Amino acid sequence: DTGVSQDPRHKITKRGQNVTFRCDPISEHNRLYWYRQTLGQGPEFLTYFQNEAQLEKSRLLSDRFSAERPKGSFSTLEIQRTEQGDSAMYLCASSLLRNEQFFGPGTRLTVL
Amino acid sequence: SQQGEEDPQALSIQEGENATMNCSYKTSINNLQWYRQNSGRGLVHLILIRSNEREKHSGRLRVTLDTSKKSSSLLITASRAADTASYFCATDPMVRGSNYKLTFGKGTLLTVNP
Repeated sequence: DTGVSQDPRHKITKRGQNVTFRCDPISEHNRLYWYRQTLGQGPEFLTYFQNEAQLEKSRLLSDRFSAERPKGSFSTLEIQRTEQGDSAMYLCASSLLRNEQFFGPGTRLTVL
Repeated sequence: SQQGEEDPQALSIQEGENATMNCSYKTSINNLQWYRQNSGRGLVHLILIRSNEREKHSGRLRVTLDTSKKSSSLLITASRAADTASYFCATDPMVRGSNYKLTFGKGTLLTVNP
């Protein structure tokens, strides 16, 4: 257990539905990251928060994706109108300054 | 795009043997980190080595970094069946304005046979 938690651990949804994932970082960590990992690949960066400010978004993050981190604590990642290509493991990580990033267990999304 | 590339893609050894995995990357870095991932689970942080360091140890793990060759290696000594996992290197590229987003390779799948 790294101290980063994610909920839910698994999500199965039908194409076109909206889904929301939650990440609770290590409490004193001011930086929070979302990554996506598909089978056989390493994680790919999606977006980054420093405190409550979203400072960077990857081009992988289409308009259907939105992320928030209200009050600089937990974060949510929402995918609207899901597509089969969204099926992946969504990983959250947190860090203090430019040190180790600690990852949560991930949310595995399956879009039918 | 993925900057780091691990080599080999897969490695199978017997318990008690040493395992060496290599990582090459393309741009200058602030630091390089190694992670372990068991099948379908999250990533576990192993070691962070900064660009001004050449070697670090942690238990049975030894990491080296050669910034002139843009490469790193992870050595696991006296391997155990529980070390079976995928191992990833991740780099923090030295890019102006970079927000410390890690760039991962595709990983090395290590299998340790009892």
